[in-house]
Amino acid sequence: ETGVTQTPRHLVMGMTNKKSLKCEQHLGHNAMYWYKQSAKKPLELMFVYNFKEQTENNSVPSRFSPECPNSSHLFLHLHTLQPEDSALYLCASSQDTGGVTEAFFGQGTRLTVV
Amino acid sequence: RKEVEQDPGPFNVPEGATVAFNCTYSNSASQSFFWYRQDCRKEPKLLMSVYSSGNEDGRFTAQLNRASQYISLLIRDSKLSDSATYLCVVNINPDSWGKLQFGAGTQVVVTP
Repeated sequence: ETGVTQTPRHLVMGMTNKKSLKCEQHLGHNAMYWYKQSAKKPLELMFVYNFKEQTENNSVPSRFSPECPNSSHLFLHLHTLQPEDSALYLCASSQDTGGVTEAFFGQGTRLTVV
Repeated sequence: RKEVEQDPGPFNVPEGATVAFNCTYSNSASQSFFWYRQDCRKEPKLLMSVYSSGNEDGRFTAQLNRASQYISLLIRDSKLSDSATYLCVVNINPDSWGKLQFGAGTQVVVTP
């Protein structure tokens, strides 16, 4: 139990579908992150939220749309994805965005785009 | 040059042996460093933070060499359960909001 939960754990979607990934943290942290992990590649930071405000968008295509309604919840809305978007999407949280404290990860959503 | 670079391995280690590997980082101003462990198809989990003076946690020892800009992880008396990918994590820009930069990982396979 990491204190960060993600749903769904697995998702298969067509290129014309719209779906959302959900992340919830129970750690009282102020910062939340979306990462993408493709096979044999490092984790790629996608978005950073600090106190509900987006502080970083790492040149992510607009077909990925994040939403952070409060410090405990983070969504990633997906639409018109491409097969190369298939990956493990990880949510993480940390006390702050200064990177001094460690980040805790959810179990991830394994996304397959067909 | 990659911001955080690791030897991908795999490091094949007999059970009970010692294995060590490094991670280099490019930004000399980096201030915080971590080792994470990631099992196959699972999320990364913090193994240990890396302190300037070096630190030890049971069979695991982490070192920081600021002059040469690398951190290291040493695993003594390897167990089969140590088989995993070890991710080096660096805060590469502590002056701004900061973000954790991940290496691609070093795979360790402990064999009976």
